[in-house]
Amino acid sequence: GAGVSQSPSNKVTEKGKDVELRCDPISGHTALYWYRQSLGQGLEFLIYFQGNSAPDKSGLPSDRFSAERTGGSVSTLTIQRTQQEDSAVYLCASTGTSGYNEQFFGPGTRLTVL
Amino acid sequence: SQQGEEDPQALSIQEGENATMNCSYKTSINNLQWYRQNSGRGLVHLILIRSNEREKHSGRLRVTLDTSKKSSSLLITASRAADTASYFCATATGNDYKLSFGAGTTVTVRA
Repeated sequence: GAGVSQSPSNKVTEKGKDVELRCDPISGHTALYWYRQSLGQGLEFLIYFQGNSAPDKSGLPSDRFSAERTGGSVSTLTIQRTQQEDSAVYLCASTGTSGYNEQFFGPGTRLTVL
Repeated sequence: SQQGEEDPQALSIQEGENATMNCSYKTSINNLQWYRQNSGRGLVHLILIRSNEREKHSGRLRVTLDTSKKSSSLLITASRAADTASYFCATATGNDYKLSFGAGTTVTVRA
């Protein structure tokens, strides 16, 4: 079956531009996560959506970062006025209904800010 | 902040050998999970072990959990070149839906 998909797979942008990253979770998964992974590092939690509840935005590094999830499915992560330190792989994951919160990851978007 | 920390940071072995990596964590957990990541892209869930379990197997993978030492190990037996990847442990605590990931162990399997 279809897994988590993300687009674009790669994005190169100039410093100061805005970017939008998209995530399509597995159908029926109500929980969706965004992470950021810098080169050679572990995953940094950014934001979490669960159903119709208010998202947990506690991991967003600055107010230049925002995310929304429309209709409980597709999510977009927006980074405004990008900086070079925003360069990283942005990973999206969704969680099924097993109750044990194992996460299913998309392939990620590699963002490079020049 | 990271809850889990993997050890070693990097591991290089010959095909057919076993690879063992460890994960230590700081606070009580509900479950601990291991993930694999190839080439810096998406992570793949490998195995989940609950806090009341001590050992779990899945194919060539064996995971142990010692809650008294707050540590877990992942053993890959009879390694293959395709096992070359980074391996991450992730912990789930309390009612927290978030997983806390370690920095990972990079495993290289030489043919």
